[in-house]
Amino acid sequence: EAQVTQNPRYLITVTGKKLTVTCSQNMNHEYMSWYRQDPGLGLRQIYYSMNVEVTDKGDVPEGYKVSRKEKRNFPLILESPSPNQTSLYFCASSSVGRVTDTQYFGPGTRLTVL
Amino acid sequence: SQKIEQNSEALNIQEGKTATLTCNYTNYSPAYLQWYRQDPGRGPVFLLLIRENEKEKRKERLKVTFDTTLKQSLFHITASQPADSATYLCALDMEAGTYKYIFGTGTRLKVLA
Repeated sequence: EAQVTQNPRYLITVTGKKLTVTCSQNMNHEYMSWYRQDPGLGLRQIYYSMNVEVTDKGDVPEGYKVSRKEKRNFPLILESPSPNQTSLYFCASSSVGRVTDTQYFGPGTRLTVL
Repeated sequence: SQKIEQNSEALNIQEGKTATLTCNYTNYSPAYLQWYRQDPGRGPVFLLLIRENEKEKRKERLKVTFDTTLKQSLFHITASQPADSATYLCALDMEAGTYKYIFGTGTRLKVLA
């Protein structure tokens, strides 16, 4: 089954404790992206990647890192999480990332930073 | 940079009626515009994409229009059903020539039986 998976689905952590949220897709998509969703603000793009070793900033990249060492994986790293990073995070992938292709979203990771 | 506004936070309609949702953008005309459905606690699911040179697109009970003069897209669900209750998001590219996306905050549709 074609899908985007994220782990963990739920995470409660404390300020400053480094964490990684994993994202994997089995559709051989070149394009992958991370979003956060907050009430009243909608989905905001954090980082995206056009292919292996190619990443770029989205609208809200501060406090996040990403890497794309393999085509199928696109982990999101919070080196020193803060309470304002409490949010619902979605990973998405697409075969092209532009006009003709749409994004497939993962199930989401709900992160709470205390 | 580009901004999106969706018409209202919530829309209640009676079963069988047509729901019409609005997506307005502010700056340059995007090459395409997408509509997604999102259920509570789940990731968005793609519904329809309409390109700048298309006026209208249909898929079963769904219809999307795109007016680049008004900088607006309308999303219609005909013969609405309670199962159509969800939040609907529109999305487009944030900056011309980039792969950055911007999403609207969504319209929460509730179809009353």
